[in-house]
Amino acid sequence: AQTVTQSQPEMSVQEAETVTLSCTYDTSESDYYLFWYKQPPSRQMILVIRQEAYKQQNATENRFSVNFQKAAKSFSLKISDSQLGDAAMYFCAYRINQGAQKLVFGQGTRLTINP
Amino acid sequence: DAGITQSPRYKITETGRQVTLMCHQTWSHSYMFWYRQDLGHGLRLIYYSAAADITDKGEVPDGYVVSRSKTENFPLTLESATRSQTSVYFCASRWQNYGYTFGSGTRLTVV
Repeated sequence: AQTVTQSQPEMSVQEAETVTLSCTYDTSESDYYLFWYKQPPSRQMILVIRQEAYKQQNATENRFSVNFQKAAKSFSLKISDSQLGDAAMYFCAYRINQGAQKLVFGQGTRLTINP
Repeated sequence: DAGITQSPRYKITETGRQVTLMCHQTWSHSYMFWYRQDLGHGLRLIYYSAAADITDKGEVPDGYVVSRSKTENFPLTLESATRSQTSVYFCASRWQNYGYTFGSGTRLTVV
């Protein structure tokens, strides 16, 4: 079974600084997607960024970028120029590209931004 | 574009009672999912559905029942609520290879 592990339950960073959230996963599949979701106090699940496993280039969305290491099964999220609005719970998720394409989530990392 | 509507947003129920959480999508996405969110576990899949009248178990299905008589609705029923089912429940939908859309969640407390 596929598993996703986020080893950092909590992280904090100073406003305007850079922070990296870690995620590792376990799979025997070669065709899959990886995602980072943000969950602010409103509970809404917001897609931050996604990465297709067959693409070697790391995905980037404005201040958010990933470091995708396929062989190491690692998928970290880097947030540059942290802003107060980035404070949230962040979830790493994996999705196999067949069947129901269910999302498998990690345990989450709570990110605090210090002003 | 209402997306996915979950109701109620908050619910308190007593142990042993039956409770149904509602999920409605405004599109016709084929796949719908129910997840529960618990501290330290992230979101775990309870049940999912590929189409009307097609449902299947996820990772933690015990104590839950689902139905999908219409494509747009996917209710989740706790047949006899237990305290361990206190959680935040999320409904989601997916269409083909596009992304997921999540509802705003239902916070359920079983006392």
